[in-house]
Amino acid sequence: GESVGLHLPTLSVQEGDNSIINCAYSNSASDYFIWYKQESGKGPQFIIDIRSNMDKRQGQRVTVLLNKTVKHLSLQIAATQPGDSAVYFCAENFSGGYQKVTFGTGTKLQVIP
Amino acid sequence: DSGVTQTPKHLITATGQRVTLRCSPRSGDLSVYWYQQSLDQGLQFLIQYYNGEERAKGNILERFSAQQFPDLHSELNLSSLELGDSALYFCASSVDTTNEKLFFGSGTQLSVL
Repeated sequence: GESVGLHLPTLSVQEGDNSIINCAYSNSASDYFIWYKQESGKGPQFIIDIRSNMDKRQGQRVTVLLNKTVKHLSLQIAATQPGDSAVYFCAENFSGGYQKVTFGTGTKLQVIP
Repeated sequence: DSGVTQTPKHLITATGQRVTLRCSPRSGDLSVYWYQQSLDQGLQFLIQYYNGEERAKGNILERFSAQQFPDLHSELNLSSLELGDSALYFCASSVDTTNEKLFFGSGTQLSVL
C-alpha cells in the first residue's frame, strides 16, 4: 500500500549550518505534502506544505522541495538553531478523496551548539 | 497553542481496563483525527470523523472505538487494554475532510501496567 519513508532516522547538524531532511513517498497520486515538527512532549506542529503543481516553496528559514519524478520530498532549514532540534515528519495526502494523511517514521534533528 | 485540547495528559491503568480519551477540536474545525504514536515510532492513523460521521479508518483495533459528538468534540475508547497499547495518543483537527493542515493536540500519554 501507500507509504511514506525517511532516509535518515537521525541527523546531527552544527548550529548555524543548513539542514536537509529527506523523505520518499510511494503514492504517485498524492498531491499535497506537509512537513511537521514535533518537539519533545508536544504534538506535531505544521511547518510548511506544498502542492504537487509546485517544485519549491519557501517559508521563514525553511524550504520544501518536491521532485515528483522520483517521488522525493526534502525540507531545508537555513542557519539551523538549537530550537530546531526536534523530530520532523513528512506527510502525504491525496486531496481528491478521503484518504488519510500518511506520515513517515520521522527524522530526529540534533543541533550541536 | 494549536487550539486542540486533549484530556487527560497522562493516564495510567492496568491490563484489561477501559479508558476514554477526550479531544476538543479547534474552533470551527469539523474534522477530528486520532493517531497513535508508540516509542520511536511514527504516527499511526486510527480514525477520522467529520461533523459527527466516521469518514476514514486506519489500523484501529476492534477493541478501540471512537465517536464525534454534536458539539464536535471526540472521544476515543480503548478497552481490554494490553501492555502494547501503551503509547501517545494524539488528536488532530482540520477545517474539512481534505486532511489539509492538521492541528494537533498535546496528546494523552497512556501507560498500561
